[in-house]
Amino acid sequence: DAGVTQSPTHLIKTRGQQVTLRCSPKSGHDTVSWYQQALGQGPQFIFQYYEEEERQRGNFPDRFSGHQFPNYSSELNVNALLLGDSALYLCASSLGPTTDTQYFGPGTRLTVL
Amino acid sequence: EDQVTQSPEALRLQEGESSSLNCSYTVSGLRGLFWYRQDPGKGPEFLFTLYSAGEEKEKERLKATLTKKESFLHITAPKPEDSATYLCAAHGSSNTGKLIFGQGTTLQVKP
Repeated sequence: DAGVTQSPTHLIKTRGQQVTLRCSPKSGHDTVSWYQQALGQGPQFIFQYYEEEERQRGNFPDRFSGHQFPNYSSELNVNALLLGDSALYLCASSLGPTTDTQYFGPGTRLTVL
Repeated sequence: EDQVTQSPEALRLQEGESSSLNCSYTVSGLRGLFWYRQDPGKGPEFLFTLYSAGEEKEKERLKATLTKKESFLHITAPKPEDSATYLCAAHGSSNTGKLIFGQGTTLQVKP
């Protein structure tokens, strides 16, 4: 049973560039949530996708956007990168958008220079 | 504002020395309390979900408990391989999709 997968594993970008991160949910799951985790901190919720729509959003600017495809996979896009966007980006999947347990992928480490 | 606070931030134990990690939460209408284990540079690994006060769950050397204000992760006779950061997260009734995380407790178990 395949778990949550994310790509790429690592990414280095410069300020002002744009980046796209990808996530495939655990088999049977239909909901994807994205989190940002700075070094030494707990993950912070960015947004959640269900039925190809953004259902809920955390306190992140519009530079952060996403998409969910019919096969439930998802993308996170970040425009106009800032140094402060350097972090581990985590994707989590669940069955339904409510309170079911979320299972996390290995993350994408983004470094902005 | 919903909040989750974990203590201590770091904990060093000798192998076999049992202890507890604390997670205090202020969440309106708690609908689930979650514990995860995270190894350096990796994604959180799910451990437990607790739904109501008084509930307990166990897995190997770990036991999670829940009260109306706190959750505890008890580690019995830890081994070096239990070294990791342990994250607590809560789901509130006003945040149906959002997990609110604490900052984590980094556990180091020395042989």
